[in-house]
Amino acid sequence: GEDVEQSLFLSVREGDSSVINCTYTDSSSTYLYWYKQEPGAGLQLLTYIFSNMDMKQDQRLTVLLNKKDKHLSLRIADTQTGDSAIYFCAEEGNNRLAFGKGNQVVVIP
Amino acid sequence: EAGVAQSPRYKIIEKRQSVAFWCNPISGHATLYWYQQILGQGPKLLIQFQNNGVVDDSQLPKDRFSAERLKGVDSTLKIQPAKLEDSAVYLCASSLAAESSYEQYFGPGTRLTVT
Repeated sequence: GEDVEQSLFLSVREGDSSVINCTYTDSSSTYLYWYKQEPGAGLQLLTYIFSNMDMKQDQRLTVLLNKKDKHLSLRIADTQTGDSAIYFCAEEGNNRLAFGKGNQVVVIP
Repeated sequence: EAGVAQSPRYKIIEKRQSVAFWCNPISGHATLYWYQQILGQGPKLLIQFQNNGVVDDSQLPKDRFSAERLKGVDSTLKIQPAKLEDSAVYLCASSLAAESSYEQYFGPGTRLTVT
């Protein structure tokens, strides 16, 4: 089945790095995703990683995947005030996305 | 490229009333999704359409929720009658095809408050 867990809240100073963690249960997921949701807005796809990869880097974003532990993390380098949002990880199974509860990131200027 | 459009943005109703939400996906996107996002939680898929056919409605409470996608473009989601626990943001998303579910584009959502 699909069950995604995330921690809830993270505050970080502008310019520092942020790390958000997620655990998932469906080992057959082909892709794992990170979405960003700003207040009053829908979800925006940030990045995704194919399940046979360990790491993916995309500008300030680094995704690490540990398939053995079913652990996914997102690192945001040089965090900016515009990065303040809720971040959701999601796993794909049966062409359906299962989302975690989200992690709110607050960037302190 | 225009994004996914939803209306209304906000709706307040009393319990036992009916409500309908509308979604216009990105032009050319065959797959349309309706999600329910309760405060403090991630979105939960309610129903998925491929063109005008239902692909997955296993998590749709069919006793009170219904959805249609006439002509394979716009879609409406209806709740009749509403309960207090239906208070949530209802998100619509679309993608080119079901096989590309990672390429889902989300609308801004409709925030429903049931009193």
